[in-house]
Order: sequence, then C-alpha cells, then structure tokens
Amino acid sequence: ETGVTQTPRHLVMGMTNKKSLKCEQHLGHNAMYWYKQSAKKPLELMFVYNFKEQTENNSVPSRFSPECPNSSHLFLHLHTLQPEDSALYLCASSQEASGGSYNEQFFGPGTRLTVL
Amino acid sequence: SQQGEEDPQALSIQEGENATMNCSYKTSINNLQWYRQNSGRGLVHLILIRSNEREKHSGRLRVTLDTSKKSSSLLITASRAADTASYFCATDKRAGTALIFGKGTTLSVSS
Repeated sequence: ETGVTQTPRHLVMGMTNKKSLKCEQHLGHNAMYWYKQSAKKPLELMFVYNFKEQTENNSVPSRFSPECPNSSHLFLHLHTLQPEDSALYLCASSQEASGGSYNEQFFGPGTRLTVL
Repeated sequence: SQQGEEDPQALSIQEGENATMNCSYKTSINNLQWYRQNSGRGLVHLILIRSNEREKHSGRLRVTLDTSKKSSSLLITASRAADTASYFCATDKRAGTALIFGKGTTLSVSS
C-alpha cells in the first residue's frame, strides 16, 4: 500500500448524475494531484493542490470540480459527464518545497469511472 | 503538452533477459522520474534522477540520463515475470511545475 486511498474503486454513472471521488493520503504530504488516464493516451494532469491552494488547472472542463478541504483530503466532484470522460482517475500526493522541483509522487489505486 | 516519450511502446522478453526502455524529452528539466504501473492500478515510483546526475542504481534497476541528448534509459536486469507492467518516465518542465508523463512502455516478461 502506498498510503494513498481512493474511493470508490469503481463507479458507473449516467450523464445526468452527480457523484464525487474521494482521495485521502496518510503520508503527511503537502501536495495532492488528480490525473486522468484514458486508454492509449498519456497520463493527463488535471489539478494540483499545493499547500491546499490550487496551483494548476490544466484546462479541465467545468464539469469536473476539485475540492481540497485540508492537506490530507482531495475530492473530485463530477456532474453532467460525457461518455468520453470514462477513464481511470488517479490521485497522488507528494511532499514539496515551495518553488522547488517536484519530488516522487505516491499514487492511489485509482477509480475506474464509466459514464453511460 | 507531452514532455517525455518512451520507446519502444511495447517490449516482450523472456525471464532472465535484460529489458531496456528509453525516454526522450523536449525541454530542459530539473529531474526525471520513472514509474511502474501494473494493469489498471496506480503508479509506483521507481527512481528519480536529477539533471546533474548521469546514472543511478536501485536493485536490478539502472537509470541513465544524458541531458545533451535529452534522453534517459531504464534498464531492468535479470527480468522476472513479476516485472510485467507499464513503465513511464515523467519530467518537470521547470521548477515548481508538476510532472508530465509519457505514454509508457508496456513490458511483458514470459516465463
């Protein structure tokens, strides 16, 4: 186990549903990330939270809404998704120094999302 | 945009053989990292090499970095069936920005 947990592990939802993905890290890290992994595409960084502040948002559609209430928890709220949003959503955490190079990231097992 | 690109896309070898994967990137970096992913699972960090380092070892893993060629290689020696996985390189474009991952090399080791 990496110390990063994600729930649920699998999620099937319709395009009109609202759901949330949860990530929790037990490593005392100060940075957390959401990634999207689709078949045959590179891992795509969606959001970065550093010291609980969102520092990167890589042109992600507004139907994905992140929330970081504290340094240990990260949520991804989903609403009115499209079938092409079906993918593996991975959460990661790391310990970062301000303005420094990014260190090794610890990943959760992912949530397999299917949008019908 | 994609920074690191692994090659080959797929590699099949027999147990006991060595596996070499390459990563090329486009812009200068602060560090380069290699990760492994078993099918449908999260990624696991393998090794980090900084821009001022040329080679690092960790167990059966050997990573080299050539900043003049903007490339890195990951060598797995004496491979085992359990090494079957996808391997990704990740780089940061500049200090303070998050990692960018390549598409990965899928390694299959048969016994």
